Amino acid sequence: AQTVTQSQPEMSVQEAETVTLSCTYDTSESNYYLFWYKQPPSRQMILVIRQEAYKQQNATENRFSVNFQKAAKSFSLKISDSQLGDTAMYFCAFTAPQGAQKLVFGQGTRLTINP
Amino acid sequence: DTEVTQTPKHLVMGMTNKKSLKCEQHMGHRAMYWYKQKAKKPPELMFVYSYEKLSINESVPSRFSPECPNSSLLNLHLHALQPEDSALYLCASSQGPSGHAPGEWEQYFGPGTRLTVT
Repeated sequence: AQTVTQSQPEMSVQEAETVTLSCTYDTSESNYYLFWYKQPPSRQMILVIRQEAYKQQNATENRFSVNFQKAAKSFSLKISDSQLGDTAMYFCAFTAPQGAQKLVFGQGTRLTINP
Repeated sequence: DTEVTQTPKHLVMGMTNKKSLKCEQHMGHRAMYWYKQKAKKPPELMFVYSYEKLSINESVPSRFSPECPNSSLLNLHLHALQPEDSALYLCASSQGPSGHAPGEWEQYFGPGTRLTVT
């Protein structure tokens, strides 16, 4: 069974700083996808960034980038020039074509951006 | 349009009531999901519908009854709930299980229904 671990329950940084959220996973699959989802307080969960396991290049989306280390089974999220609107719960998630459409979530990291 | 809508936004019901949650998407997605989310926890998968057929039931109690009338609509019928069922209920959709393009595995979430059982 696949598992996803986020070792940082809470993080707090100042606005404009760079912050990195950690995520490790365990799987025996060779083909899979990794995601970071953001859930602001009392607001909708949205997809931040996606990484395909077969791609060596790290995904980037504006201020958000990942460091994907397949051998180490690590998938961290870096937020550059953090903004107050980045305050949210961040969930790392995993799915595999063989996984019957299940999205396996980590426990989440509560990120607070301070002014 | 990458929107999943859910109604109602909030629902308070007694343990003897019958109510329904509704989810709708118009993205042409063929897979739809129900999740339960407790505060400060990740979503827990309840049901998956694939091409309008129930493909996954994560051993959910029978007081929760899903229904997929068509490819755009997903309902969750509630009956005789317990106070511990109070939670945020999220609906999600994705393109479906048949493809291998990365985008087809992304799940789009609705805003949720905040359910309180009294």
